[in-house]
Amino acid sequence: DGGITQSPKYLFRKEGQNVTLSCEQNLNHDAMYWYRQDPGQGLRLIYYSQIVNDFQKGDIAEGYSVSREKKESFPLTVTSAQKNPTAFYLCASSIQPNGVDQPQHFGDGTRLSIL
Amino acid sequence: SQQGEEDPQALSIQEGENATMNCSYKTSINNLQWYRQNSGRGLVHLILIRSNEREKHSGRLRVTLDTSKKSSSLLITASRAADTASYFCAPRGYSTLTFGKGTMLLVSP
Repeated sequence: DGGITQSPKYLFRKEGQNVTLSCEQNLNHDAMYWYRQDPGQGLRLIYYSQIVNDFQKGDIAEGYSVSREKKESFPLTVTSAQKNPTAFYLCASSIQPNGVDQPQHFGDGTRLSIL
Repeated sequence: SQQGEEDPQALSIQEGENATMNCSYKTSINNLQWYRQNSGRGLVHLILIRSNEREKHSGRLRVTLDTSKKSSSLLITASRAADTASYFCAPRGYSTLTFGKGTMLLVSP
């Protein structure tokens, strides 16, 4: 079945440590997105990529980095510069980067906590 | 900001009743999308309504859009316990989607 796989489901980070969240899709979608969700809050866009080897900052990019070396993969690194990283992280994809009518498909998230 | 704002924040009903959630936004949109999120899971796309549409149906879902009032509503008819989830509206302009804080719906058996 086609879909988006996020791993791991739960992740713990020590102070001063970088961690990388994985996002893989086999939907052949061009665009991929990373969101952060805090309790009782909506989703906030961290980074998005409309095509391989290109990505743009979202609303809360500080303390995060991404890469898009393959169409299927869009890993997110939470760096030590992100002072409040505890959150639920969601990855999504859509079929066309400028396909305004296209819905986004989401993975099941990674919950990151600070030890 | 295109961000949608859902109302109410929480809604509790009995099985079989209808549930109505509202969404307001501030800028011009191309379409508006509704998503559902079960606890601890990712979002699932429910329905998309374009700016030139006024009403759309999908199964037990009915969505309306009033661009003059910059508002939308999602109606779930004959609700079931399995409808318990958070529901988000996402107005879509010509950039990325933005999501509100959602309406948390609890359907009791």
